[in-house]
Amino acid sequence: GEDVEQSLFLSVREGDSSVINCTYTDSSSTYLYWYKQEPGAGLQLLTYIFSNMDMKQDQRLTVLLNKKDKHLSLRIADTQTGDSAIYFCAERANDYKLSFGAGTTVTVRA
Amino acid sequence: KAGVTQTPRYLIKTRGQQVTLSCSPISGHRSVSWYQQTPGQGLQFLFEYFSETQRNKGNFPGRFSGRQFSNSRSEMNVSTLELGDSALYLCASTGTSGTDTQYFGPGTRLTVL
Repeated sequence: GEDVEQSLFLSVREGDSSVINCTYTDSSSTYLYWYKQEPGAGLQLLTYIFSNMDMKQDQRLTVLLNKKDKHLSLRIADTQTGDSAIYFCAERANDYKLSFGAGTTVTVRA
Repeated sequence: KAGVTQTPRYLIKTRGQQVTLSCSPISGHRSVSWYQQTPGQGLQFLFEYFSETQRNKGNFPGRFSGRQFSNSRSEMNVSTLELGDSALYLCASTGTSGTDTQYFGPGTRLTVL
């Protein structure tokens, strides 16, 4: 079965880099995703990575995938106050559903 | 292109009532998935519809049901509401780009009193 784990909290200074980590257990996962949720809002897709890739970069976002260790990370460069939110890691296996982690609350301090 | 829309955005019901939530996917998307988000259980998959057929279902009681119409709009229904059904209900639509990326709506906040 699927089980996605994330650390629950991250505090980072404005301008520094944030790194959010995630582990998953389903080796058949095809795609892995990062979503952002701001208070009172739905989930905003940030980026995704296909399981045969090691890295993907998209502007300030860098995703690293270690398939052997089933470890996924999201790095946000030059973190801004607008990056304060909950970040969810999700995996998609061979069925049609996403399995989500509990979410990492990122707090950006001045 | 308009995003995923969900109506209503907020609902207050009492125990024992039933409720219907609506989701309109992104134009051209034929798959709609529903998720329940609560502080205790996080995000949990309810069901997924494609071309009016339910393709997958999560571990929820039969009080939770859904359907999809020919225009891909979807509804979910919860009967005999319980206090524990209070949650944010999120709908996501998926296109056919090959990445199976799910795009989420803003959600419907259901409060059961």
